[in-house]
Amino acid sequence: QVQLVQSGAEVKKPGASVKVSCKTSGYTFTDYYIHWVRQAPGQGLEWMGWINPNSGGTNYAQKLQGRVTMTRDTSISTAYMELSRLGSDDTAVYYCARLGTTDYWGQGTLVTVSS
Amino acid sequence: SYELTQPPSVSVSPGQTARITCSGDALPKKYAYWYQQKSGQAPVLVIYEDTKRPSGIPERFSGSSSGTMATLTISGAQVEDEADYYCYSIDSSGNHRVIFGGGTKLTVL
Repeated sequence: QVQLVQSGAEVKKPGASVKVSCKTSGYTFTDYYIHWVRQAPGQGLEWMGWINPNSGGTNYAQKLQGRVTMTRDTSISTAYMELSRLGSDDTAVYYCARLGTTDYWGQGTLVTVSS
Repeated sequence: SYELTQPPSVSVSPGQTARITCSGDALPKKYAYWYQQKSGQAPVLVIYEDTKRPSGIPERFSGSSSGTMATLTISGAQVEDEADYYCYSIDSSGNHRVIFGGGTKLTVL
């Protein structure tokens, strides 16, 4: 069965970076884009961007351009999202997801930014 | 920038029909997708490509789209349908970016 398993919770100081992993299984990794979506406490869903695991091509939300980097390692069917220059408003649950007609989400990774 | 607009809240009594709308200029050209999210859980897809229901989703969930508005309808809403609902679509400007609506809190009581 399709699974997306994310890395564990992180606590970071303002100005630091965080890198979240998303290990996939149960399907051909390069066949589907991986999207990253975050949700701040009590807030709605915010799309961050996607990566094409086949080509490595990316597309980022305009708001996060310059701070977010999405990468992948096809040898281990894993996608990564790195966010730099963290601020308190980056505190959120971060999800990786395979969006579309067949839709799968990771379990979410809580990133807390606090001094 | 492109936006999708949802009402912040909708309230119905059990057994009534709940309708949640999502409006956006790109919806005549792009499909709408709908998620249900219960507290502390990842979103669950309930409608895709405007009107299609994934397997395992109850038949009381249906979707429609006309012009710049997509609608999620829950016919005979049940207490367990109480959740946040989000629409999303793709920006039609050609940048292939995903846009989420702000979400609608459905109360069934």
